[in-house]
Amino acid sequence: GAVVSQHPSRVICKSGTSVKIECRSLDFQATTMFWYRQFPKQSLMLMATSNEGSKATYEQGVEKDKFLINHASLTLSTLTVTSAHPEDSSFYICSAPRDYRANEQFFGPGTRLTVL
Amino acid sequence: AQKVTQAQTEISVVEKEDVTLDCVYETRDTTYYLFWYKQPPSGELVFLIRRNSFDEQNEISGRYSWNFQKSTSSFNFTITASQVVDSAVYFCALSEEGSTGNQFYFGTGTSLTVIP
Repeated sequence: GAVVSQHPSRVICKSGTSVKIECRSLDFQATTMFWYRQFPKQSLMLMATSNEGSKATYEQGVEKDKFLINHASLTLSTLTVTSAHPEDSSFYICSAPRDYRANEQFFGPGTRLTVL
Repeated sequence: AQKVTQAQTEISVVEKEDVTLDCVYETRDTTYYLFWYKQPPSGELVFLIRRNSFDEQNEISGRYSWNFQKSTSSFNFTITASQVVDSAVYFCALSEEGSTGNQFYFGTGTSLTVIP
């Protein structure tokens, strides 16, 4: 079946550094990918929609300068958390739809970010 | 307004008991998709089922069964003869046909603990 990978799976960084998270669709092309954030014991909240070849669409309240998204190719989207702070510590999950008509979407395994 | 409501925040059952997780959704679209995902402590979302709005047949898969009722906008999930391995957070999600690139709306999740 289709697989979406994320790298790294876990990252610990110091406050003030930037962290890049990659999301790849391994056996299908995705013109759109989604980035979610999940705080402990909470639901997944959509942060932004990543669009290949154009700017990402951010949800209300999400700082676009803080969370830089680049959809470099049809199989890769990256989320860069710039100048990370402890409050950015969270679980970040990406997803990619394979078949829009069937609403078939695949989720990555997630990246756990801890900012010290 | 919340598009997906999971009223049960936490449920505890004793092993071998049956348990039903409730999901109520809200949409104006006539074409939409409903999903259930399992999230174990590792964090990775495990896909359980996808149901489109035109298919109201209930489904059974092993110990899992789903009851889709459009009249009450509910998509409930029942685990029969629960096992300790069923302990996880379960999310119900909605995707509307008209949404950009099949955006998902997640419920707040139900944390299930199966006590041995």
